[in-house]
Amino acid sequence: DTGVSQNPRHKITKRGQNVTFRCDPISEHNRLYWYRQTLGQGPEFLTYFQNEAQLEKSRLLSDRFSAERPKGSFSTLEIQRTEQGDSAMYLCASSPGAGRSTEAFFGQGTRLTVV
Amino acid sequence: AQSVTQLGSHVSVSEGALVLLRCNYSSSVPPYLFWYVQYPNQGLQLLLKYTTGATLVKGINGFEAEFKKSETSFHLTKPSAHMSDAAEYFCAVSEDTGRRALTFGSGTRLQVQP
Repeated sequence: DTGVSQNPRHKITKRGQNVTFRCDPISEHNRLYWYRQTLGQGPEFLTYFQNEAQLEKSRLLSDRFSAERPKGSFSTLEIQRTEQGDSAMYLCASSPGAGRSTEAFFGQGTRLTVV
Repeated sequence: AQSVTQLGSHVSVSEGALVLLRCNYSSSVPPYLFWYVQYPNQGLQLLLKYTTGATLVKGINGFEAEFKKSETSFHLTKPSAHMSDAAEYFCAVSEDTGRRALTFGSGTRLQVQP
């Protein structure tokens, strides 16, 4: 399968714990995005990488959130000291950086439940 | 700043009936427009996109959408609904500058009645 892969698919954690999610984009895509989707809402942009450089972070991304993309390949999103309000689906997407196509390919998401 | 409004959080149609899902956008520059579909506990799958050129865009599964600049709309249609079309549909806009991240509407849940 050459699509965007996210792990784990589901994560249940206790409030205050740290969690880390992984995203493996389509191999030739140099743009990688993280979105958060809460129940009944559309995805909201969190952050964006061009290769290994994190070029933009949304105001939604508090200091407890950190994302990395070492070597411009896979990416990780870590949430420290989780809160119940962090419960959501976290979606990763990738797209080719060149050309006029801006189509983003999404992974299946990681559903986080904070109890 | 860009934004998307999807009119109707729930739409119910009978199998075989016309599907019409409404989307209006706001953008300060010529936009790229997208429709995505999401099945329960799944990621998003692209149905179709408008970048430039022909304003009537055809996508997968028999869906199409028409970009109307004067109305700032990008409504999604399908002539005949199928039970498998039941899902959540999201309209999104991306400006042709910078990061090109998507701004999504709040979604429309389509129910198809037998």
